[in-house]
Amino acid sequence: SAVISQKPSRDICQRGTSLTIQCQVDSQVTMMFWYRQQPGQSLTLIATANQGSEATYESGFVIDKFPISRPNLTFSTLTVSNMSPEDSSIYLCSVTRGDYEQYFGPGTRLTVT
Amino acid sequence: ELKVEQNPLFLSMQEGKNYTIYCNYSTTSDRLYWYRQDPGKSLESLFVLLSNGAVKQEGRLMASLDTKARLSTLHITAAVHDLSATYFCAGSQGYSGGGADGLTFGKGTHLIIQP
Repeated sequence: SAVISQKPSRDICQRGTSLTIQCQVDSQVTMMFWYRQQPGQSLTLIATANQGSEATYESGFVIDKFPISRPNLTFSTLTVSNMSPEDSSIYLCSVTRGDYEQYFGPGTRLTVT
Repeated sequence: ELKVEQNPLFLSMQEGKNYTIYCNYSTTSDRLYWYRQDPGKSLESLFVLLSNGAVKQEGRLMASLDTKARLSTLHITAAVHDLSATYFCAGSQGYSGGGADGLTFGKGTHLIIQP
């Protein structure tokens, strides 16, 4: 498996502000992913973050709203910009280990007021 | 575009009973994943199914994959209360050099097992 940590674990933010979420992995990985889980819902892939290249965003998600950094093979950040109450969700990072295993971090619970 | 549908979305069952959760997907998927999520927790990986006819078992849970029918099942045998959770299936359409691509999730099956 993979040991993945996220910071912060939860936060309450004001509308219009931005929050940066950190994801740290215990060993080097090529692929890192960011997902959103809205209250009571399933998970939706936001973007794929590869080291050394720009993140690839899924339909409905844009870089201006969710900028991502991937400075090395063990770390990534996701910023939720200009937040609104609709951004209240759990944000999870995941990594691939081996050819197909995917493991998830503990998540960051974001509430926007 | 890969779409993943689970049913049922909600299941209440009694301890000791058997039941099956179904996961249909719309296009070719390289692999099929099953995860468990407890309330307020992250996702725990249960199974990864890689090929047609694949069957994996862990305790009271058994997962199978039929790629021709585009169907995966998660079978629960003699359910116990501790298995109460939300179960997600997810598919992956791609494989890049560094590993599997991002996943497309079903809506999840909220499972309650009554004593």
